[in-house]
Amino acid sequence: EIVLTQSPDFQSVTPKEKVTITCRASQSIGSSLHWYQQKPDQSPKLLIKYASQSFSGVPSRFSGSGSGTDFTLTINSLEAEDAATYYCHQSSSFPLTFGGGTKVEIK
Amino acid sequence: EVQLAESGGGLIQPGGSLRLSCAASGFIVSSSYMSWVRQAPGKGLEWVAVIYSGGSTYYADSVKGRFTISRDDSKNTLFLQMNSLRAEDTAVYYCARAPWNYFDYWGQGTLVTVSS
Repeated sequence: EIVLTQSPDFQSVTPKEKVTITCRASQSIGSSLHWYQQKPDQSPKLLIKYASQSFSGVPSRFSGSGSGTDFTLTINSLEAEDAATYYCHQSSSFPLTFGGGTKVEIK
Repeated sequence: EVQLAESGGGLIQPGGSLRLSCAASGFIVSSSYMSWVRQAPGKGLEWVAVIYSGGSTYYADSVKGRFTISRDDSKNTLFLQMNSLRAEDTAVYYCARAPWNYFDYWGQGTLVTVSS
């Protein structure tokens, strides 16, 4: 099973700051890494697919990078509506797995 | 517009069975990969099962042999039959469209509580 380790677990950020969330895979997964945003009491939403491809309708301040075992989700100029928990997910092999999540709080 | 709507959750005793449904609109379920993902209260996301357009199915080890994913093409609906339920199966269950095993659209979820 491929284990995804996200860091940090929690981040408190002021609006307009830049946020960086990392996701490390226990073995190489190429670019089969995807990012989701989940706001409180809502279902998750896809932000980034295949490490760096933005999903339709996602604001341009969200971007992804990386390949192999190390990946990054960046939120440029954080907005209040970005308060949420962010999850990475790998589709390289079964079982499909998720990272533990990173909760982003707005100061 | 792609929409997914789960139903069938509720309170069930340990050892019991439940069938979840996910009604889809805006796309054809039988032509898509479809998945179930769950989230225990206050916890992270856990993939449960996937069914491919050709009918192949895959399961998480934690549910293998107890849960069955299926679909009704005439109703454009996805199902999850859950047997031998345990307390640790308590979660919100989401259905999701899963092209190439990532999840591009999610339903609102249905809560399953396993408790005596």
